[in-house]
Amino acid sequence: SAVISQKPSRDICQRGTSLTIQCQVDSQVTMMFWYRQQPGQSLTLIATANQGSEATYESGFVIDKFPISRPNLTFSTLTVSNMSPEDSSIYLCSAQTRFNEQFFGPGTRLTVL
Amino acid sequence: TQLLEQSPQFLSIQEGENLTVYCNSSSVFSSLQWYRQEPGEGPVLLVTVVTGGEVKKLKRLTFQFGDARKDSSLHITAAQPGDTGLYLCAGSLTGNQFYFGTGTSLTVIP
Repeated sequence: SAVISQKPSRDICQRGTSLTIQCQVDSQVTMMFWYRQQPGQSLTLIATANQGSEATYESGFVIDKFPISRPNLTFSTLTVSNMSPEDSSIYLCSAQTRFNEQFFGPGTRLTVL
Repeated sequence: TQLLEQSPQFLSIQEGENLTVYCNSSSVFSSLQWYRQEPGEGPVLLVTVVTGGEVKKLKRLTFQFGDARKDSSLHITAAQPGDTGLYLCAGSLTGNQFYFGTGTSLTVIP
């Protein structure tokens, strides 16, 4: 298994600013992902965080808006850039082990005013 | 358009009743997972199914993967208030990324 922590747990930000969310895993994992979720709704995959290289983004998400880093096997960051109220959501980090088990962090609840 | 459609979207039942949640797609998946999520927390993996027709049981929960690997179901027997939560299926086409279904919000009334 893997235990995932995220920081911050929540934040309230002003329009036009940027927020970086950190994700730390307690063990080495093969893959890390970033998702977005509206409360009570399903998860939308933003991107796959690749170690040492550019992230792989899903349709509708771009690097300029959601830059992602993964400098090693256990750590990743997601930045939400030039925020607008439409970016208000819960952002979740997940890690996948070599057994294809996926574990999630508790999420970061972002509110943009 | 969502890759995986779940039904029902909302379900409210009395404690002790049985229920089934469905997860359907037109795509063939290499594997499919079911998660439960409680408010303020991330989803927690319940089960992974990889073989068409596979049935897995986890206490009162029974998971089935369709023969064609395009659909799945989750059956809960004698539901309890602790089963309340958002149930999500997630399918993988390649074995890497998982795409989540639309979700089923279950409320079990004591």
